[in-house]
Amino acid sequence: GDSVTQMEGPVTLSEEAFLTINCTYTATGYPSLFWYVQYPGEGLQLLLKATKADDKGSNKGFEATYRKETTSFHLEKGSVQVSDSAVYFCALSADQGAQKLVFGQGTRLTINP
Amino acid sequence: DAGVTQSPTHLIKTRGQQVTLRCSPKSGHDTVSWYQQALGQGPQFIFQYYEEEERQRGNFPDRFSGHQFPNYSSELNVNALLLGDSALYLCASSPSGKGSYEQYFGPGTRLTVT
Repeated sequence: GDSVTQMEGPVTLSEEAFLTINCTYTATGYPSLFWYVQYPGEGLQLLLKATKADDKGSNKGFEATYRKETTSFHLEKGSVQVSDSAVYFCALSADQGAQKLVFGQGTRLTINP
Repeated sequence: DAGVTQSPTHLIKTRGQQVTLRCSPKSGHDTVSWYQQALGQGPQFIFQYYEEEERQRGNFPDRFSGHQFPNYSSELNVNALLLGDSALYLCASSPSGKGSYEQYFGPGTRLTVT
């Protein structure tokens, strides 16, 4: 079945460091790919998305490129801030009609000042 | 514009009891999905409702059931609660139609089963 695998956490970085969180997927067909972020005590917020191969999603300085050849959707940010501390989830939607999301296990990110 | 709202925020139940969680979708959305998020895990898809019918279901037992009302709001019911049902239950809404990929999540209901 469809699945998403994220790099193991937690990840701890200093402010202004470069961030990469790896995400790979297994799916039939051509899934849409997402990154969601969950701040402490809150629900999930969509951070960015890409709906076809080679698309780049971007938001708030975060970027991810849909790589069909490597089945990956790695999240990157050039300079992280303390406010970026949260749990990040990679997800896919393989059935565009029903929009069911399949999530990875999440990566907890802590940014130290 | 109110986003997705859920009630209650927190809930404590005893094993064997039944629970009902509620969700109101974002304005303009007619599709509601429910997810279970165990501590330290990613959300797991329970089911999705559209036009008051269950459209798709994840790998959850029949103890989990739902309903969607004409105003698109939804309920999640769990019968015969088990300790393993303790989790954050998330509701997500989206508009139907081709190209509707984005789901908006509510803040969740934290269920604790003792």
